[in-house]
Amino acid sequence: AQSVTQPDIHITVSEGASLELRCNYSYGATPYLFWYVQSPGQGLQLLLKYFSGDTLVQGIKGFEAEFKRSQSSFNLRKPSVHWSDAAEYFCAVAAPGKLSFGAGTTVTVRA
Amino acid sequence: GAVVSQHPSWVICKSGTSVKIECRSLDFQATTMFWYRQFPKQSLMLMATSNEGSKATYEQGVEKDKFLINHASLTLSTLTVTSAHPEDSSFYICSAVPAGPSYEQYFGPGTRLTVT
Repeated sequence: AQSVTQPDIHITVSEGASLELRCNYSYGATPYLFWYVQSPGQGLQLLLKYFSGDTLVQGIKGFEAEFKRSQSSFNLRKPSVHWSDAAEYFCAVAAPGKLSFGAGTTVTVRA
Repeated sequence: GAVVSQHPSWVICKSGTSVKIECRSLDFQATTMFWYRQFPKQSLMLMATSNEGSKATYEQGVEKDKFLINHASLTLSTLTVTSAHPEDSSFYICSAVPAGPSYEQYFGPGTRLTVT
């Protein structure tokens, strides 16, 4: 069965600083990977996805993620964080008929 | 494209009553829809998988008689919480998968249920 681990429960970053959120997955076949963002009381918004091809994936809002098969990782990065990036971030791996989420990382942005 | 709506966005009901939540795919047909539950500060927990025209598949530990799911058309799935109790208070999110081979789910905005 597939699973996702997000090691960091909470990250605090200064506005304008870089951000990296870690994600490790476990899946026996080629993984389909996603990063979602959730603002308080809202649904999920897809930031980016990886199915195949280039291992560096560009997403919306200036986010990117790098797939590293050897490390079973799919870390999310942003070079310069804005206050509006404060939210909950979820990494997910898809298998046929199912999407498994990590526990999420809360990002706080300080001025 | 690929917009999913949920109605209502929030609902308050009294203990013992039932409440229905609708999930609609607005611009695509969805043969499969999923229902998730999310507690505060926690991740999404899959409750059930709903396939159009067939019975829903429930995850282990989810009471099928309490959480009734109907997927009557390719654009609508409903979740009915029967005889609701305060412990059923939660954020319920649906997602939909377009017809055809796809691993991507499109999520609705969620419904906040509060049972008093």
